[in-house]
Amino acid sequence: ETGVTQTPRHLVMGMTNKKSLKCEQHLGHNAMYWYKQSAKKPLELMFVYSLEERVENNSVPSRFSPECPNSSHLFLHLHTLQPEDSALYLCASSHDRGPYEQYFGPGTRLTVT
Amino acid sequence: ELKVEQNPLFLSMQEGKNYTIYCNYSTTSDRLYWYRQDPGKSLESLFVLLSNGAVKQEGRLMASLDTKARLSTLHITAAVHDLSATYFCAVAPPVNNAGNMLTFGGGTRLMVKP
Repeated sequence: ETGVTQTPRHLVMGMTNKKSLKCEQHLGHNAMYWYKQSAKKPLELMFVYSLEERVENNSVPSRFSPECPNSSHLFLHLHTLQPEDSALYLCASSHDRGPYEQYFGPGTRLTVT
Repeated sequence: ELKVEQNPLFLSMQEGKNYTIYCNYSTTSDRLYWYRQDPGKSLESLFVLLSNGAVKQEGRLMASLDTKARLSTLHITAAVHDLSATYFCAVAPPVNNAGNMLTFGGGTRLMVKP
């Protein structure tokens, strides 16, 4: 595997379900990010982890819970989501020093029914 | 709060023509990124601009940064169909303000017609 990978690529879940999104980077980076991309809004930064510590959560609802067990893996745990949470969730990684260029994974297309 | 605006939001152009996409941002920054996204795909990094006056070119695309004007441009020369995609600019805050957190523009959807 190379670059940034995400699983699953597609996910349909009910509002009462609990699921997790997984991201793995193979680039030797030490910062990882979760973004939300929906049709009606620009790409929104949700969470940032640098050296495995969360540095930003950007006022994201608590039904989204990130986890970063090491610098190569990032999870987004989902529970009791709303239909408006349906979106493409993108993971990215970078070095934690300049130029901070971020490399993106293919995304998980989430549909909440 | 950093705000990033792109225009136009949608651009339909003929093959062979030239055009420019603009990216304006609201607060001090000296780092700006351009990404490309094909439908149903992820974001691909195109350019990283790290200083005032920076200019980078790759094929038919050229990006520049004017930090004093808080403006970056992405110029397309002699467009071809393969350039059809959505282009995003993203701006970073000053490094001492948590330099990893990018703010993205709304994107410019480019369609190049034969």
